[in-house]
Amino acid sequence: SQQGEEDPQALSIQEGENATMNCSYKTSINNLQWYRQNSGRGLVHLILIRSNEREKHSGRLRVTLDTSKKSSSLLITASRAADTASYFCATGNDTGANSKLTFGKGITLSVRP
Amino acid sequence: GAVVSQHPSRVICKSGTSVKIECRSLDFQATTMFWYRQFPKQSLMLMATSNEGSKATYEQGVEKDKFLINHASLTLSTLTVTSAHPEDSSFYICSARLWVETQYFGPGTRLLVL
Repeated sequence: SQQGEEDPQALSIQEGENATMNCSYKTSINNLQWYRQNSGRGLVHLILIRSNEREKHSGRLRVTLDTSKKSSSLLITASRAADTASYFCATGNDTGANSKLTFGKGITLSVRP
Repeated sequence: GAVVSQHPSRVICKSGTSVKIECRSLDFQATTMFWYRQFPKQSLMLMATSNEGSKATYEQGVEKDKFLINHASLTLSTLTVTSAHPEDSSFYICSARLWVETQYFGPGTRLLVL
C-alpha cells in the first residue's frame, strides 16, 4: 500500500525558478527518501533524510522533514529544463534486513526553458 | 556509483507465454533485491523482496506462482512472468540494496503482452 502522498501532483515552472514539492505520510518512519524518474526510465536516488534529522542539503536540493506533521518537502533551487521529471518520495519504515521502501504517487515537474 | 542493469529493456510477447527479466548489480554484491511494478503515470508498487539463496517474500496480493523470482547469486535476480496475459503488461523495475537504507534501481523493463 502507498504511504506517501505528494503534492502538487503536477508542477510547471519557468527555468530559474524554485520548485517546492511536498510529501505527507501516515505511519512512523525510519527515513524518507526522494527519487527522480525520467520518462520511461528507472529511478535515481536524490537524497535521504533520517527521522532524527530536520533538514539536509545536496547541491541545489534541500529536503526538510517534520515528523510531528509527518511531512517532508523537496526544494529544487534555480531549476533547469533538465530537472523535468517525476519526483517520488519513499518512506523506509525499518532497519536491517526487513527494510523496504513505500513510494508515494509522484509529482510531475515541468521546467519550461 | 552503484549500477544496476535490467535485461531486456523492452519485450513483447504473446498471451500464454512466459517472460524472464534479469536484474544485475554490476559493481557490487546485493544480498537483497526488490521487484516493483509501475503502471503508467502511477507509483511503484513493491511486488516482492528477493534474498540471495532463499525464497522471495511476496507482498500481499502478488501471486508467487505467477511471478517467479530466483536470486541465485549475489549479483543476479530474475523475475519470470508465467503464462503472461494482457493485464500483466506493465513497467517492471528492480532495485538492489547496497546499504541498509539505500536502493539502486535498474532502468526498467517494459512488458507488452498481446
